[in-house]
Amino acid sequence: GQNIDQPTEMTATEGAIVQINCTYQTSGFNGLFWYQQHAGEAPTFLSYNVLDGLEEKGRFSSFLSRSKGYSYLLLKELQMKDSASYLCAVTDSNYQLIWGAGTKLIIKP
Amino acid sequence: DSGVTQTPKHLITATGQRVTLRCSPRSGDLSVYWYQQSLDQGLQFLIQYYNGEERAKGNILERFSAQQFPDLHSELNLSSLELGDSALYFCASSPGTDLNTEAFFGQGTRLTVV
Repeated sequence: GQNIDQPTEMTATEGAIVQINCTYQTSGFNGLFWYQQHAGEAPTFLSYNVLDGLEEKGRFSSFLSRSKGYSYLLLKELQMKDSASYLCAVTDSNYQLIWGAGTKLIIKP
Repeated sequence: DSGVTQTPKHLITATGQRVTLRCSPRSGDLSVYWYQQSLDQGLQFLIQYYNGEERAKGNILERFSAQQFPDLHSELNLSSLELGDSALYFCASSPGTDLNTEAFFGQGTRLTVV
């Protein structure tokens, strides 16, 4: 079956750095997305990786290793507004999006 | 604003009833996706339409159905509602079936079944 694993919850301190991991087992691979979702709101796009390596976008970076079926989202200089759920999603060989359950990130002052 | 519009924003109804949720995709997007998100749960893919035709089906109950109209808006019909159907229902759209582009989400319809 197809499966995406993320930690359920993480806690970090304002101003610090946090890494959210995602491992996947899917039928084929055509890209990996990270989305941010604040409670009760719509998910919003953060990043997309299709090739191995690191994609940097301001305070957020996303890394992909296709051979390991692994990605991480790195958040730097954490702010209180970064408290949200972070969703990992993979497009499989049929271009279907398979979603992880999300990681709830709690930022403490 | 993602450009995806969902109505209504909130809906409260009784068990056994039927409701219709509506979604207008971003201008030019041909694909529409429906998702269910129960409290503190991840996104559950329900169904996808592309240019009026059903493209993929996820964990959609037989009591649920959807369609996409010629003007590309979509409706999700939920019938014989149960308490467990209470959830946020999201619609998302993308330009095509190739999901190497991001999907844009509407703000969701919060359904409460009492």
